[in-house]
Amino acid sequence: SAVISQKPSRDICQRGTSLTIQCQVDSQVTMMFWYRQQPGQSLTLIATANQGSEATYESGFVIDKFPISRPNLTFSTLTVSNMSPEDSSIYLCSVAKTGASSTDTQYFGPGTRLTVL
Amino acid sequence: GQSLEQPSEVTAVEGAIVQINCTYQTSGFYGLSWYQQHDGGAPTFLSYNALDGLEETGRFSSFLSRSDSYGYLLLQELQMKDSASYFCAVRKGNYQLIWGAGTKLIIKP
Repeated sequence: SAVISQKPSRDICQRGTSLTIQCQVDSQVTMMFWYRQQPGQSLTLIATANQGSEATYESGFVIDKFPISRPNLTFSTLTVSNMSPEDSSIYLCSVAKTGASSTDTQYFGPGTRLTVL
Repeated sequence: GQSLEQPSEVTAVEGAIVQINCTYQTSGFYGLSWYQQHDGGAPTFLSYNALDGLEETGRFSSFLSRSDSYGYLLLQELQMKDSASYFCAVRKGNYQLIWGAGTKLIIKP
């Protein structure tokens, strides 16, 4: 398993500002993912962040808006830049445990609830 | 395109059995996962099927038919704490998951 923490747990921000969300894992993992989820909705993958390479963004998400850092195997940050009210959402990081005995499980952090005014 | 379909809401009685279906259309397929999410909580892993057949974990079972692009999650002996949203997700390459819209399970006493 993996235990994941995120900071901040929630924030209220003004439009035009930026917020950096931190994700810390209790063990070394290669694959880390950032998601966005509106309350009552499904999860939308923003990007895949693997250590040692540039993050890979999904359609509709760009690096200028959501820059990601992955400096080591236990930590990543997602920045939401130049925020607008449409960015209000829950942001989740997750990690994939892989290997011969893996069941392709993803473990999720508790999420960051962002409100943009 | 890529899509997963699952019912938006299912209602059942405490102690009963409920089945949540999921059909998928994806360009790549490595397996079907199920996750549970309580209101205000993070998704938690329930099961994963890479091969056809039934996987059983306690009160929860999951089934996959790759030829039919279909799977289901079976919950037995329902308890009130099982009230949550359940998501099916298809694993693609690089361990990425494509998620269904989620099924809200309402359990009545």
